[in-house]
Amino acid sequence: EVQLVQSGAEVKKPGESLKISCKGSGYTITSYWIGWVRQMPDKGLEWMGIINPGDSDTRYNPSLQGQVTMSADKSISTAYLQWSSLKASDTAMYYCARQGDRSRTNSFDIWGQGTMVTVSS
Amino acid sequence: DIQMTQSPSSLSASIGDRVTITCRASQTISTYLNWYQQKPGKAPKLLIYAVSSLQSGVPSRFSGSGSGTDFTLTISSLQFEDFATYYCQQSYSPPRTFGQGTKVEIK
Repeated sequence: EVQLVQSGAEVKKPGESLKISCKGSGYTITSYWIGWVRQMPDKGLEWMGIINPGDSDTRYNPSLQGQVTMSADKSISTAYLQWSSLKASDTAMYYCARQGDRSRTNSFDIWGQGTMVTVSS
Repeated sequence: DIQMTQSPSSLSASIGDRVTITCRASQTISTYLNWYQQKPGKAPKLLIYAVSSLQSGVPSRFSGSGSGTDFTLTISSLQFEDFATYYCQQSYSPPRTFGQGTKVEIK
């Protein structure tokens, strides 16, 4: 079964660092880009960016550039999203998703279950 | 950035109704238009890609149409399990923006 499994919920204080993960299985991780999508409480979906786990090439949403870092370790089929200094406004559910190939118009065809990040003093 | 505007933002419908949701892009996006369904507390699920191609396992009552900048998601006969929020997404150019969502509620 093709799936993405994300790390568990996190509660952090402002200024702390954090790295969440997304592990792929049932397919070759290097054959598909992985994307990250943010959903703030009771809000819509926001495309954060994508990473190619094969060579770690990344495309960030310019609105978020510098605020988060995407990375990947292909040896363990895992992608990461990290913050160096969290803010309360980073409180959200974060989803990773597999980006299908161009024949599927780069749609997100497989999604992780989501990681809830809460930042509060 | 390409802006995606959905309408309506919410709608109330009954079981068996035909439901139509529209999505407009701020510039042409060819056929790079996808639709997702999200139920409360769950991850989004891909319904349709490339305007009208049904993702595997998605019921045939869902269909998509459109071209250029104007697109439509239609549910031909609404079922109980279809009450959810629906999002369109353009995957033509980064950032691959989503619409603001359309919540389909029970009348």
